[in-house]
Amino acid sequence: GEDVEQSLFLSVREGDSSVINCTYTDSSSTYLYWYKQEPGAGLQLLTYIFSNMDMKQDQRLTVLLNKKDKHLSLRIADTQTGDSAIYFCAETPNYGQNFVFGPGTRLSVLP
Amino acid sequence: GAVVSQHPSWVICKSGTSVKIECRSLDFQATTMFWYRQFPKQSLMLMATSNEGSKATYEQGVEKDKFLINHASLTLSTLTVTSAHPEDSSFYICSARGVDGSAGTNEKLFFGSGTQLSVL
Repeated sequence: GEDVEQSLFLSVREGDSSVINCTYTDSSSTYLYWYKQEPGAGLQLLTYIFSNMDMKQDQRLTVLLNKKDKHLSLRIADTQTGDSAIYFCAETPNYGQNFVFGPGTRLSVLP
Repeated sequence: GAVVSQHPSWVICKSGTSVKIECRSLDFQATTMFWYRQFPKQSLMLMATSNEGSKATYEQGVEKDKFLINHASLTLSTLTVTSAHPEDSSFYICSARGVDGSAGTNEKLFFGSGTQLSVL
């Protein structure tokens, strides 16, 4: 079945790097996504990676994909207090027909 | 990027009344729209999938007579919570699936800002 797992909590100090991990199950996922949700708001698309790529970098964000292990990670460099939010990863099984979200990782950035 | 507008942002209503929430894709045509429910500090729970011009597909355990979905056009879907009760109080989020054209041709999900429903 389709299942996406994430650790629920992560705390880092301001200025450090944050690494949020995700595992998914469906190898037919064509794209994998990271979304950010701030309190009381909807989800904002942060970045995504095509399944035949290993890495994608976008400013402070680095996405790593290990397709063999079905493992996705999001690295945030120089984490700031404004990065405190819930981060959801999503797989797209059935060759992109569906979106399946993980439970979300709550990132807390300590001063 | 693509914008999805969701209204209202919050609503307080009396028990027994009905509440309508609108979800609009402003600058793209959405092939599909989704409705989610989110309890405090919990993940998204998919309620239903809405395709323009056809009946919505509801997830198991979601009452279709309670949560009416209408998808009249490629840019508008509405969720009506009928005869709302306090247990319906929650954060409701819509999303629209489409291509924003800014980068890549893959379809993405774009989310509305959510509606906080409080039923007294």
